[in-house]
Amino acid sequence: DAGITQSPRHKVTETGTPVTLRCHQTENHRYMYWYRQDPGHGLRLIHYSYGVKDTDKGEVSDGYSVSRSKTEDFLLTLESATSSQTSVYFCAIRTGATGELFFGEGSRLTVL
Amino acid sequence: KQEVTQIPAALSVPEGENLVLNCSFTDSAIYNLQWFRQDPGKGLTSLLLIQSSQREQTSGRLNASLDKSSGRSTLYIAASQPGDSATYLCAGEGYSGAGSYQLTFGKGTKLSVIP
Repeated sequence: DAGITQSPRHKVTETGTPVTLRCHQTENHRYMYWYRQDPGHGLRLIHYSYGVKDTDKGEVSDGYSVSRSKTEDFLLTLESATSSQTSVYFCAIRTGATGELFFGEGSRLTVL
Repeated sequence: KQEVTQIPAALSVPEGENLVLNCSFTDSAIYNLQWFRQDPGKGLTSLLLIQSSQREQTSGRLNASLDKSSGRSTLYIAASQPGDSATYLCAGEGYSGAGSYQLTFGKGTKLSVIP
């Protein structure tokens, strides 16, 4: 357990509404990641962060933005949700000592 | 761009059998290779991490090996049990400069161990 908490765990929203998912860690790891997992596509990287206010795009970043104003929190925002963003979203942290990744429990988002 | 492939996509074995799950990757400049387990509706649990300077790691009945030159990793599970039933994912980590590490995942092998 790497002390990762995702919220909300489940959310249903309508097309066009903004959505923010939060990832919180308790161990001050530098690297944090947001992935989405979809049948047939597996896990794909959306955005990642390598420090406070340091973020970069991943493979499927269109329609998503992120912010990291403090070490422990990494926020993923869908400015205007679409049905194609219905997915399970996972946050992960990378430990500095070994480079091992640990994942949160996931946030299931349904966009109607 | 790193691509990770896992074959087979699904595997069914009788309890007690030893088995091997395969993972291949296209970029040999891999940094770390990590194996995960995922139960239905759950998050990913880290099983084994093979760091770039290592060739294998063991934990209990699990053994993972890494051969960068051939672009392959294998996960060996000894004396399989019904509780081992899950999807197993491998992921290769690349380093893209400026302190940027990224993991690329395979699509997983769904393992069913039949009592």
